Amino acid sequence: IAGITQAPTSQILAAGRRMTLRCTQDMRHNAMYWYRQDLGLGLRLIHYSNTAGTTGKGEVPDGYSVSRANTDDFPLTLASAVPSQTSVYFCASSDTGGGYGYTFGSGTRLTVV
Amino acid sequence: GQSLEQPSEVTAVEGAIVQINCTYQTSGFYGLSWYQQHDGGAPTFLSYNALDGLEETGRFSSFLSRSDSYGYLLLQELQMKDSASYFCAVRGQGGKLIFGQGTELSVKP
Repeated sequence: IAGITQAPTSQILAAGRRMTLRCTQDMRHNAMYWYRQDLGLGLRLIHYSNTAGTTGKGEVPDGYSVSRANTDDFPLTLASAVPSQTSVYFCASSDTGGGYGYTFGSGTRLTVV
Repeated sequence: GQSLEQPSEVTAVEGAIVQINCTYQTSGFYGLSWYQQHDGGAPTFLSYNALDGLEETGRFSSFLSRSDSYGYLLLQELQMKDSASYFCAVRGQGGKLIFGQGTELSVKP
């Protein structure tokens, strides 16, 4: 089934540790995105990539980094996790310039303690 | 910058019609989208309006007025399974979606 796979599903992480959230899509979409969702704050864009080899900053990029070495993979790295990064993280993809909606992964629930 | 406002909660009864409003402020507007999310799962795409007017997809319709920076999602013949969070989102320059804070819809029997 075509879609987006995120891993891990959930994680408890000690503050100060490094963590990479994985995201893989098999739809050959050009654009990919990382959002975080916190209660009452909706979905906020962290980083995005319009095409392989390029990335950009979203609304809340501090403390996160991304890379886009190929079309399918878009990992999100927390270099040194802090408790405020406790959140649910969603990866999404879309055809560049398309208005027909994003496809989202099932999310990674991250708790930083 | 960009911002969107939508009600935090709406309650309706099964079989009724409910409207979820969304107002937005954005520099550069390329369309208004709606997404549904059940129980914190993956948001799923419902509709997209790039031009003024009403778009209908089954029991769901979405409306846009660009001059008023306003849109709404209309759900008809409500079913219990429609209980979910609904997000409006604006597509800004570069195709990136910026989401509202979401409206939690509760459908009562």
